[in-house]
Amino acid sequence: AQTVTQSQPEMSVQEAETVTLSCTYDTSESDYYLFWYKQPPSRQMILVIRQEAYKQQNATENRFSVNFQKAAKSFSLKISDSQLGDAAMYFCAFEVTGANSKLTFGKGITLSVRP
Amino acid sequence: DAGITQSPRYKITETGRQVTLMCHQTWSHSYMFWYRQDLGHGLRLIYYSAAADITDKGEVPDGYVVSRSKTENFPLTLESATRSQTSVYFCASRLAYTGELFFGEGSRLTVL
Repeated sequence: AQTVTQSQPEMSVQEAETVTLSCTYDTSESDYYLFWYKQPPSRQMILVIRQEAYKQQNATENRFSVNFQKAAKSFSLKISDSQLGDAAMYFCAFEVTGANSKLTFGKGITLSVRP
Repeated sequence: DAGITQSPRYKITETGRQVTLMCHQTWSHSYMFWYRQDLGHGLRLIYYSAAADITDKGEVPDGYVVSRSKTENFPLTLESATRSQTSVYFCASRLAYTGELFFGEGSRLTVL
C-alpha cells in the first residue's frame, strides 16, 4: 500500500517570502503521479501542481515549484513571493498510474501568511 | 454551468437515520470518487466508480453504500448514521483512469 506523509501540521510565512512544504511517500511502484492540492477556507480543493515520476525536470507553475527527489521519495512544494491568498491547507497526494488508480492523500499542512 | 455539484452542502441528522449525499457532474467523466475529510486524517477514500454500474470500495467503506445507475450521478448513502460519520464529504471526478481530480464543494454532515 502507498502512504503519503506530511509531517508538519502547520507552517507560517511572511508575505513576499518563500516557504517550502514537505512531503514524503512510500511505494514500490516506479510509474506514478504526485500532486499538491490547495484547500482555502472556502473548502474548494484546487490543484496546484502535478509531477509525473518519469520526468526528471521539476514541475513549475508560476510562483509554485516542486523539488522531486525520486530516490529519496520526497516531493516538496516551494511557494515563492508568498501572498495572503496562499493561506490555506495544502495536501500532497500520490497516484500509481494504471486502471482504477486512486489518489492517496497526506494529512495536510495548514499554511498561514503573515502580512 | 458545467462542473460537479454536491447537495446538500450542510446536513444535520440524528444517529440511526438514513442520509443520502448527492453528487452530479456534467462532464461525462468516467471516474467518480467519494472522500471524507477529517482533521488529522486528510482525505480518505470511501468508494469509487470507474463507470456506470461499476463501483468498488476504498479505504473506509464501512457504513456507506453507493450506486451509479447513470454516468453523471454518484450518490453516497449512510444507511444508519453514526456520530463517527460526522465529517466533510467530497465528491470528485476525472475523465480518464488517471490524472487530475475535479472536486465538488463538499458536504458537511453532522450526526448528533
